[in-house]
Amino acid sequence: EAEVAQSPRYKITEKSQAVAFWCDPISGHATLYWYRQILGQGPELLVQFQDESVVDDSQLPKDRFSAERLKGVDSTLKIQPAELGDSAMYLCASNGGDSPLHFGNGTRLTVT
Amino acid sequence: SQQGEEDPQALSIQEGENATMNCSYKTSINNLQWYRQNSGRGLVHLILIRSNEREKHSGRLRVTLDTSKKSSSLLITASRAADTASYFCATDQNDYKLSFGAGTTVTVRA
Repeated sequence: EAEVAQSPRYKITEKSQAVAFWCDPISGHATLYWYRQILGQGPELLVQFQDESVVDDSQLPKDRFSAERLKGVDSTLKIQPAELGDSAMYLCASNGGDSPLHFGNGTRLTVT
Repeated sequence: SQQGEEDPQALSIQEGENATMNCSYKTSINNLQWYRQNSGRGLVHLILIRSNEREKHSGRLRVTLDTSKKSSSLLITASRAADTASYFCATDQNDYKLSFGAGTTVTVRA
């Protein structure tokens, strides 16, 4: 079964440094989502793409976070500068139409 | 912000027993979905129930939806050790953006 690929699996960075996460959705899935999941909580949507366009980034802290999906396929989420409160699991998901979401295994970020 | 709230927060049962968890939400929905998350992994979709449906089954899973009470329940029958995971409800409010609850952590003891 096709999977959503994410890398790296784990990332440790010092505060004020820049960090980037990569996601490759399931082939053919037009919609891509980035979620942040703090330990013990449910995922919260950061940004949603439809092809290469941002559909919703209302919850993305735009002073430090940026996301792009230049060719409407894979996507990168960047944080600069990282803060201690950014420590979390960053999950990428994709779907086609109104089908259920397919999630990757996430990137676990620790900011020290 | 999270629309759904699961209850209980944690559940510990013996293998073979049934596990029931509940989800309450605040606003009208298009559908409600349940996902499972094993420790340190991504979420896996389990079942989707639309707003005009009241009950749905998938294998050992049974989901109910009561739109008048804005609540849903997930029943896992004859639990197995492999069912140990966190379970999340997620609501779709007609805009294909899912809002997840905080989850119920289920531990199945051998």
